[in-house]
Amino acid sequence: AQSVSQHNHHVILSEAASLELGCNYSYGGTVNLFWYVQYPGQHLQLLLKYFSGDPLVKGIKGFEAEFIKSKFSFNLRKPSVQWSDTAEYFCAGGSYGGSQGNLIFGKGTKLSVKP
Amino acid sequence: EPEVTQTPSHQVTQMGQEVILRCVPISNHLYFYWYRQILGQKVEFLVSFYNNEISEKSEIFDDQFSVERPDGSNFTLKIRSTKLEDSAMYFCASNPGQGNTEAFFGQGTRLTVV
Repeated sequence: AQSVSQHNHHVILSEAASLELGCNYSYGGTVNLFWYVQYPGQHLQLLLKYFSGDPLVKGIKGFEAEFIKSKFSFNLRKPSVQWSDTAEYFCAGGSYGGSQGNLIFGKGTKLSVKP
Repeated sequence: EPEVTQTPSHQVTQMGQEVILRCVPISNHLYFYWYRQILGQKVEFLVSFYNNEISEKSEIFDDQFSVERPDGSNFTLKIRSTKLEDSAMYFCASNPGQGNTEAFFGQGTRLTVV
C-alpha cells in the first residue's frame, strides 16, 4: 500500500539552528513528492516538489529537500531557521503522471522555533 | 495571485443534520479535490472530481458524502446525517491538470458536529 511517514511529531529549535525533517515513502512505481507548510490559521502552501531530474530540489524561503531513491526518503532541510518558520510541515506523495491532487500525506511535523 | 476559497471558515452543526461545504477553485483548473484532517491526525484524501464526475474516491467517501459542481465556479461537499466523528477540517484543492503540477489548497472549513 502507498504510504508516507514522517518521523518527528514535534521539533523545537532555537533560531539559527539547522533543520532536518524526515520523510519516507512507500510507493509502487514512480512517485512525485512534495513538502507543504501550514502556518497557524492558514492554508497548506507548497514549499517544494520533486517530479524528476536533480534529486536536490530547492523551494521557497530557503528550504530544500533531497530525494534519495535508495532510502525511499525525501527529507526537508534548512540551514538556519527563523522564528517565522514556526508552522506544521507535511510531506506528501503522488503517483507519477496526470493530476497530482490525489496526494497521500504524512502525519505532519510541528516545528516550533524559539526566538 | 489566484487562490482557492472556502466558505464558511467554521461550521457548527447538530448530529444528524446535513451540511454543505463550499469551495471556489482557481479559475481554469480542471481537477478538484476534498481532503479532511481530523484533529491531530493526517490529512486524508476524500475524493477527486474531473469533467463533472468523480474520478477517484477513498474508502472514507461513503454514501454519506456527495460532491457537486453546480455551476461553473463552485465545488461543494455535502455530508448527510452528520456524525460526531465527521468533525474535522475539510480542505478543498484544485489542480490545473496539465502535466505534473501540484494541488493548490483552500484555507479549510472547520466542521464541528455537536
